Amino acid sequence: DTGVSQNPRHKITKRGQNVTFRCDPISEHNRLYWYRQTLGQGPEFLTYFQNEAQLEKSRLLSDRFSAERPKGSFSTLEIQRTEQGDSAMYLCASSSGTSGGRNEQFFGPGTRLTVL
Amino acid sequence: AQTVTQSQPEMSVQEAETVTLSCTYDTSESNYYLFWYKQPPSRQMILVIRQEAYKQQNATENRFSVNFQKAAKSFSLKISDSQLGDTAMYFCAFNFGNEKLTFGTGTRLTIIP
Repeated sequence: DTGVSQNPRHKITKRGQNVTFRCDPISEHNRLYWYRQTLGQGPEFLTYFQNEAQLEKSRLLSDRFSAERPKGSFSTLEIQRTEQGDSAMYLCASSSGTSGGRNEQFFGPGTRLTVL
Repeated sequence: AQTVTQSQPEMSVQEAETVTLSCTYDTSESNYYLFWYKQPPSRQMILVIRQEAYKQQNATENRFSVNFQKAAKSFSLKISDSQLGDTAMYFCAFNFGNEKLTFGTGTRLTIIP
C-alpha cells in the first residue's frame, strides 16, 4: 500500500481551458475527500464521497467543478473554463471506518494548478 | 458559524527545546473531534495527534501532546525535545460531527539547529 496518490502533480493551463485531476485512495478506503489549499491558507473542503455516492458539496464548488467516483475507487475532479482564481493546490484524502468524523483522513501529495 | 483560528503565523525554536502552538475555535456543537496535522515542505500532510471532545484526558503521542480546554475552546499542541524533522506547517483541524475537516490557517514552525 503506497498511500493516496494524485496525478498530475503539477498542471499549468491557460484561462478558459478544462483540466482534470485524478486521485487514487488507499485500497478499500470507502470515503474520499477533495480539498483546495491556496497560498498561506489551510485546506478548504470541496466535496466528499462514500463509495461511489457524492454526499456533500461545498458552496466553493461552483458549476464549473465536477467530481466523480464511478466505481467507488479512484476519483476525478474536473474544472471547466478555468479562471485565474482556480490556481491552488488540490488535495485528495481518504478514510475508512465508521462515520461520525473521528477517523483519520490520509492525504495525497496534491495537484498544484496554475492558471495563466 | 464554525471557525478555527491559529494566531501564530510563524514560530521558530532551537533544536531540543519545547514549543507550543495555539489554536482556538468556535462552535455550538457539543461533540466533535480535534486534530493536529503536519505538512512538511513539499510533502504530504500527515496526522500528528487526535483528541475527542468528550474525553477529558489530553491526548499524547510520544513527544507530542495537546492541552484541550473545552470551556475556553482552546486546543494547543506541545512539541517536546523538538527535532529538525519537526520543521513544517502545522494545522489544527476539526470535524464537527460531519465528514469534513475545517482547518485553521496554519503555523509555520522552524526548528533551528
